[in-house]
Amino acid sequence: DIQMTQSPASLSASLGETVSIECLASEGISNDLAWYQQKSGKSPQLLIYAASRLQDGVPSRFSGSGSGTRYSLKISGMQPEDEADYFCQQSYKYPPTFGAGTKLELK
Amino acid sequence: EVQLVESGGGLVQPGRSLKLSCAASGFTFSNYYMAWVRQAPKKGLEWVATISTSGSRTYYPDSVKGRFTISRDNAKSSLYLQMNSLKSEDTATYYCARKILWVSYYFDYWGQGVMVTVSS
Repeated sequence: DIQMTQSPASLSASLGETVSIECLASEGISNDLAWYQQKSGKSPQLLIYAASRLQDGVPSRFSGSGSGTRYSLKISGMQPEDEADYFCQQSYKYPPTFGAGTKLELK
Repeated sequence: EVQLVESGGGLVQPGRSLKLSCAASGFTFSNYYMAWVRQAPKKGLEWVATISTSGSRTYYPDSVKGRFTISRDNAKSSLYLQMNSLKSEDTATYYCARKILWVSYYFDYWGQGVMVTVSS
């Protein structure tokens, strides 16, 4: 199975700060990657798919990039409602696998 | 509005069985692959099962293969997960999720989740 390693495990950001979360795949995944946001006590929500495509209804301050084995999620201007756990997921090879998550808090 | 509502969770002893259900609405259920994804307490996400639109093809990770069975009833817009020989490590919140229409295994809608606790 492809292992997805997320970093950092947790971080805190100030209002308006730009935040970046990294995801490293154990082998190349050809941009076949999604990012999910999970707020406390809620189910995950798809933010980005195919590494950089924004899901409908997701604010444009969220963006994704990367290639090969390294991918990142950027939040340009932290908002209070962005406080959540974030997970990456590869879909390149069966079975689909998730990263362990990054906990983002508002400072 | 797309809605996925799970039910059937609860406390069950190791080795016993439990069946989860997911009622779908707000979209043409029969057009989509569906899946179950679980999350152990304070842990990450783990894909559990996927079923094709007709139900003829099913997919599982090794961790549940042979113990879990995913099924669907398109006439009722419902998804199911039969879980047998349950183990303590199956304790988790189970989410019903819709796979996007692309080939890729992304999940664009999730239910609110149902808790399954396996303990004696």
